[in-house]
Amino acid sequence: QTVVTQEPSFSVSPGGTVTLTCGLSSGSVSTSHYPSWYQQTPGQAPRTLIYSTNTRSSGVPDRFSGSILGNKAALTITGAQADDESNYYCVLYMDSGIWVFGGGTKLTVL
Amino acid sequence: EVQLLESGGGLVQPGGSLRLSCAASGFTFSSYGVTWVRQAPGKGLEWVSYIGSGGSTYYTDSVKGRFTISRDNSKNTLYLQMNSLRAEDTAVYYCAKRGSPAAGYFFDSWGQGTLVTVSS
Repeated sequence: QTVVTQEPSFSVSPGGTVTLTCGLSSGSVSTSHYPSWYQQTPGQAPRTLIYSTNTRSSGVPDRFSGSILGNKAALTITGAQADDESNYYCVLYMDSGIWVFGGGTKLTVL
Repeated sequence: EVQLLESGGGLVQPGGSLRLSCAASGFTFSSYGVTWVRQAPGKGLEWVSYIGSGGSTYYTDSVKGRFTISRDNSKNTLYLQMNSLRAEDTAVYYCAKRGSPAAGYFFDSWGQGTLVTVSS
C-alpha cells in the first residue's frame, strides 16, 4: 500500500517563506510521479496550484512554486499572505491510472 | 468556462446503493479523462476512481468491486454507481477533470461536491 507523506501542519509568518514537502513511505518522488499540488479552504472545493512538479496552474500567483527537493516533491510559498492559510494536498501519479493523495498540510499564517 | 456539477448525494443505509452524477460543460467532455475524489468529514482528500477518454477505468482498492465509474459522452455526464455502501464511504464526493494529457497527470477543474452519508 503506497503512502504519500506530508507534514500535518506548518506555520509561517506573513511575508515569510515556507516549503511543504510530499514524500513516499517507500522510495523517492520523481518527476515521473507528476506531482501536483492543490489548495483547499474548509467547505470549498480544491483549487489546482501546481502540476507536473513545477508548472503553475492558470491564475496562480508566482509566489507559489514547485520542485523536487532531494527525494520529495516540494511546494514553496514565497512572501506568504494571510489568505494562503489553507490546507495543501499533494497527489502523485502511481502509473496505471492510479493516483494517491497525501494526507495534507494545514498551513497557518501568523 | 469549465463547469462540473455533482448531484445524487444523500443519506443511505449501510449496504445500500447510490448513483452520483457529474454534469460537465465548457469543454469537450469526450476528450478528457475524469475522476472522483472524496473527502470524509474532517479528513483529507482521497482519490476514488478514474475513467479515461477511451473508457478505461481504475479504482482505489477500498472500492473495487463495489463502485463502478462510467460516462455518457452524449450527455456530457460522469457517473459513480456505489453499491454495498459502508459507513466509511461517508464523504463529500468531488468530480474533477483531468488536465491536458500532454501536460501530465493532474486535475485542473473541480466541482463543488455532493455529500454522501451512510448511516442507519
